[in-house]
Amino acid sequence: DTAVSQTPKYLVTQMGNDKSIKCEQNLGHDTMYWYKQDSKKFLKIMFSYNNKELIINETVPNRFSPKSPDKAHLNLHINSLELGDSAVYFCASSQALRGGTEAFFGQGTRLTVV
Amino acid sequence: KNEVEQSPQNLTAQEGEFITINCSYSVGISALHWLQQHPGGGIVSLFMLSSGKKKHGRLIATINIQEKHSSLHITASHPRDSAVYICAVRFPGSNYKLTFGKGTLLTVNP
Repeated sequence: DTAVSQTPKYLVTQMGNDKSIKCEQNLGHDTMYWYKQDSKKFLKIMFSYNNKELIINETVPNRFSPKSPDKAHLNLHINSLELGDSAVYFCASSQALRGGTEAFFGQGTRLTVV
Repeated sequence: KNEVEQSPQNLTAQEGEFITINCSYSVGISALHWLQQHPGGGIVSLFMLSSGKKKHGRLIATINIQEKHSSLHITASHPRDSAVYICAVRFPGSNYKLTFGKGTLLTVNP
């Protein structure tokens, strides 16, 4: 069974469109994250939710809106997509909002905006 | 400023060689993670350390809290070890977010 699953794995779309990426974890974890990996393979936190509550919101454009319907799901909705949004987006989860807990990552969603 | 530095950026080795990848960070941390990412693939957590040393198969991770430094070692390297290895830390007061190093691209040739 996949611990953290993201869909879709690949997403190609035109500029200006609105798209969503879904993430689900079956580990019973309280905390979920979205990370962005740019073309240089550098990973950076975007958002973190703990028990459906937004904990971390880095300097991400308002066009990005995370939604957590329950603690097992954290979806990422992106409005008015731009070329610069092309990247790989990783979802992750951990047991609790504590420093010493291991993070589990999804397989990533490669978003290409044309 | 909370920073994570990895070295080397690129590493090429022959099969069977002993590999060391280094990670340094700027201030005290609560945990350090070593992650592996194969080309075009997802991210796998290899180790999470807060002190000492951990071993899993041919992989060994060590951390020196006083020196703010961690190393990832691979013994008897194999071409399937070729991947990007990423160090990530949680800094105090950062709302427990992970800050990542830029990764080390390891290529093991047969």
